[in-house]
Amino acid sequence: EDQVTQSPEALRLQEGESSSLNCSYTVSGLRGLFWYRQDPGKGPEFLFTLYSAGEEKEKERLKATLTKKESFLHITAPKPEDSATYLCAVQAVVAGGSEKLVFGKGMKLTVNP
Amino acid sequence: DTGVSQNPRHKITKRGQNVTFRCDPISEHNRLYWYRQTLGQGPEFLTYFQNEAQLEKSRLLSDRFSAERPKGSFSTLEIQRTEQGDSAMYLCASSRQQISTGELFFGEGSRLTVL
Repeated sequence: EDQVTQSPEALRLQEGESSSLNCSYTVSGLRGLFWYRQDPGKGPEFLFTLYSAGEEKEKERLKATLTKKESFLHITAPKPEDSATYLCAVQAVVAGGSEKLVFGKGMKLTVNP
Repeated sequence: DTGVSQNPRHKITKRGQNVTFRCDPISEHNRLYWYRQTLGQGPEFLTYFQNEAQLEKSRLLSDRFSAERPKGSFSTLEIQRTEQGDSAMYLCASSRQQISTGELFFGEGSRLTVL
């Protein structure tokens, strides 16, 4: 069964203190790995898609990387507005195709001013 | 772009009652998805429509759950004979492209509380 595990479950940073979030996955075949951001009471908001090991994507203070077993979301010099829950999800290669994303539990990031 | 709209935003019901949620996707999006999210968990896939066709259903979608998208525009998710375990946030998402791009646009969700 496809699985996504995120660590740590929660992280508190001071403004400007860089860190990384980990997403490890187990799938029969990876079609894509996705990062979303979710604010309290809101639906997830798309950040990145990664398709193959070695790929990297950047957006403002966020940089996502992918290996064959895990992905990292690096946050450089975070600001309080980066506080949110970050979700990792995978789409597996399935015979006949599947539009299902399998999400991890998420990682709650709090950035203190 | 008005975004994905979901109604009602909150629903409190008694066990055994039926509830229906509505989702209005972004107008040009032909793909529509339903997910369920409980506290402290990530979203779980329920079902997927392309236009009016329901092409994929999760095993989570028991026979008490039914989803429709009659004209390929808005969608409804009905839960019959609700149980306390159905309490969750029901998220709708839409997309113009295949999920492999990852760019789903989620609504703010409909929160269900079953007493």
